[in-house]
Amino acid sequence: GEDVEQSLFLSVREGDSSVINCTYTDSSSTYLYWYKQEPGAGLQLLTYIFSNMDMKQDQRLTVLLNKKDKHLSLRIADTQTGDSAIYFCAETSSYGQNFVFGPGTRLSVLP
Amino acid sequence: GAVVSQHPSRVICKSGTSVKIECRSLDFQATTMFWYRQFPKQSLMLMATSNEGSKATYEQGVEKDKFLINHASLTLSTLTVTSAHPEDSSFYICSVKKTNYNEQFFGPGTRLTVL
Repeated sequence: GEDVEQSLFLSVREGDSSVINCTYTDSSSTYLYWYKQEPGAGLQLLTYIFSNMDMKQDQRLTVLLNKKDKHLSLRIADTQTGDSAIYFCAETSSYGQNFVFGPGTRLSVLP
Repeated sequence: GAVVSQHPSRVICKSGTSVKIECRSLDFQATTMFWYRQFPKQSLMLMATSNEGSKATYEQGVEKDKFLINHASLTLSTLTVTSAHPEDSSFYICSVKKTNYNEQFFGPGTRLTVL
C-alpha cells in the first residue's frame, strides 16, 4: 500500500529556517498536505499543493514538491517558539479522501 | 476553513462500559466524515469513513461491532466504543470533507482513557 515517511525530530533555533522533509510512494498522488498538531489538539491544515505544482508559498511557509523523486518539503522561515509542534505530511489520490499520513515530525524551537 | 467540534474532549471510563463520542460540523453540511485513531507519539490511522444515511466503511482490522459509527444527519457523526478495554485508550479524531473541497477539516480530538 501507499507509504509516507518523515524524519521524526527536528530542532532549530528561534529565527532560523526549518525544513521538514517527506517522501511518499504513491505515484498517483494528486494532493499533498502539511498539517500541524499542537499538544492535545486536533490537526490544523497549514497548506497543500496539487501534484502538478513545484512550489507554493504562503507567508512564512514554502512548500517544494519534486514529483520525480516523490519528495515534499515544508520550509518555515523565521521559526518562532509558537511553531513548536508535530507536523504531518499527508497525501491523497482521491480528491480529499483516503488520506495517508506520515508519522509526523516533532519540531522543537530553541530560544 | 470549517469548524468541527468533538464532544467530549476527554473521557475516562471503566472497562466493559461503552463510550459515545460526537463529531459535529458546525458551519456546513458534511456528507462524509472520517474517524481516526492516534496512539501516543504516532500518526493518525483511519478507522472508518462515515457516510450520511448509509453504513460506515471500515478499514481493514477495525472491528465494526466494537466501534459503532452512526452518521444520522449531515452535521453529526457518532463513534461508540463498545465494551471498552484499556487497549482502546487512545486519541480519537474526526474530520469532515466539504463537497468540492480537496481537504479534510479536523476536530480537536477526544482523549479516551479506559481504566
